[in-house]
Amino acid sequence: QKEVEQDPGPLSVPEGAIVSLNCTYSNSAFQYFMWYRQYSRKGPELLMYTYSSGNKEDGRFTAQVDKSSKYISLFIRDSQPSDSATYLCAMSGNAGNMLTFGGGTRLMVKP
Amino acid sequence: DVKVTQSSRYLVKRTGEKVFLECVQDMDHENMFWYRQDPGLGLRLIYFSYDVKMKEKGDIPEGYSVSREKKERFSLILESASTNQTSMYLCASSLRQNEKLFFGSGTQLSVL
Repeated sequence: QKEVEQDPGPLSVPEGAIVSLNCTYSNSAFQYFMWYRQYSRKGPELLMYTYSSGNKEDGRFTAQVDKSSKYISLFIRDSQPSDSATYLCAMSGNAGNMLTFGGGTRLMVKP
Repeated sequence: DVKVTQSSRYLVKRTGEKVFLECVQDMDHENMFWYRQDPGLGLRLIYFSYDVKMKEKGDIPEGYSVSREKKERFSLILESASTNQTSMYLCASSLRQNEKLFFGSGTQLSVL
């Protein structure tokens, strides 16, 4: 079993839909949780960064962490075709900067 | 904005060749990383460095080595390339531990 599990998709939604992307993990030591967005033929770029449990909102994006369930989510409101990309979750513990990545979910937002 | 530059976007090499992948960052970051990205496997850490001349193995260091002679430059070396090293290679840097990683655009390496 992988340490971080993420459905690879692809997830196809119409423009304007609310998108929910999720990751589950097994290591209870994880404290830092991130979401990266990766466009085709580009490197990942950080979208959201949260520490421990709770919610964080930034514009159309909301990151949610439920440590008791070992489950994190990224919600995208009013999705746009420009949101079409692969979304990677990543997490680490207090030991340092060794991020563990999920495999990524490919999202397609259709006009 | 931080810029992480990888020297090649696409590279084709033959089995047994020695391959150098170069990465340069321009924001005086302490930490630098090399990942490979494969479909279905996500990003896997090969090596990282917290300081000049310092290196630590990641999850999959076999068949690779690294060099960090200057703070801004981190090189990945494939001593004798093999077909199973065909992959997308991503370099990243960060200012401090547990802070955001800045990635380069990647090098797609094909070993024939």
